[in-house]
Amino acid sequence: AQKITQTQPGMFVQEKEAVTLDCTYDTSDQSYGLFWYKQPSSGEMIFLIYQGSYDEQNATEGRYSLNFQKARKSANLVISASQLGDSAMYFCAMREGYNTDKLIFGTGTRLQVFP
Amino acid sequence: EAQVTQNPRYLITVTGKKLTVTCSQNMNHEYMSWYRQDPGLGLRQIYYSMNVEVTDKGDVPEGYKVSRKEKRNFPLILESPSPNQTSLYFCASSFLRDRVPPNEKLFFGSGTQLSVL
Repeated sequence: AQKITQTQPGMFVQEKEAVTLDCTYDTSDQSYGLFWYKQPSSGEMIFLIYQGSYDEQNATEGRYSLNFQKARKSANLVISASQLGDSAMYFCAMREGYNTDKLIFGTGTRLQVFP
Repeated sequence: EAQVTQNPRYLITVTGKKLTVTCSQNMNHEYMSWYRQDPGLGLRQIYYSMNVEVTDKGDVPEGYKVSRKEKRNFPLILESPSPNQTSLYFCASSFLRDRVPPNEKLFFGSGTQLSVL
């Protein structure tokens, strides 16, 4: 079964608008962490934001926020005030349980920001 | 500067010709891992290592080997590459989870684009 699901292969957003990238996950563990990475066209993986399963507040990092809905098992990334430089592939990932350092990735969402 | 260094950045080879992709980190991380990225499939783990001389299979280990003789280095070896191993490869590292806060992220190398003809 898919552990991390990103249902949007591609998204378009106009500059300065906000955009939400969807991510749902599947785990039976109580302790897990959720990550978002950005991959620009140059190929590197850039860490954006983290949410722990026990964190009561939604994580925020500058223009990035994570809309964490634990009961629905969703961890959507919200980018506010989109910029042209936000055009990239975005990956949601999960690290589950206490005894693994492995990250499980979704299939990614390609975001295109237009002027 | 803290970093994970992968080489080469691009590699074109032919079927059956052994190759090695090197990975080195300067952060004293115990955990190192290799992923491959394919369109529509995201990143999938190939092998990982929890420390020197400790390696284990990930989700797609067939056709690959790794070694961890030193803490900083974790090379990926393709003994007999095949076209289905054409992919973008990433090396990643971090401290072990039980030593750091749970938000410890993986540090990624810049990637190696491999084409097997």
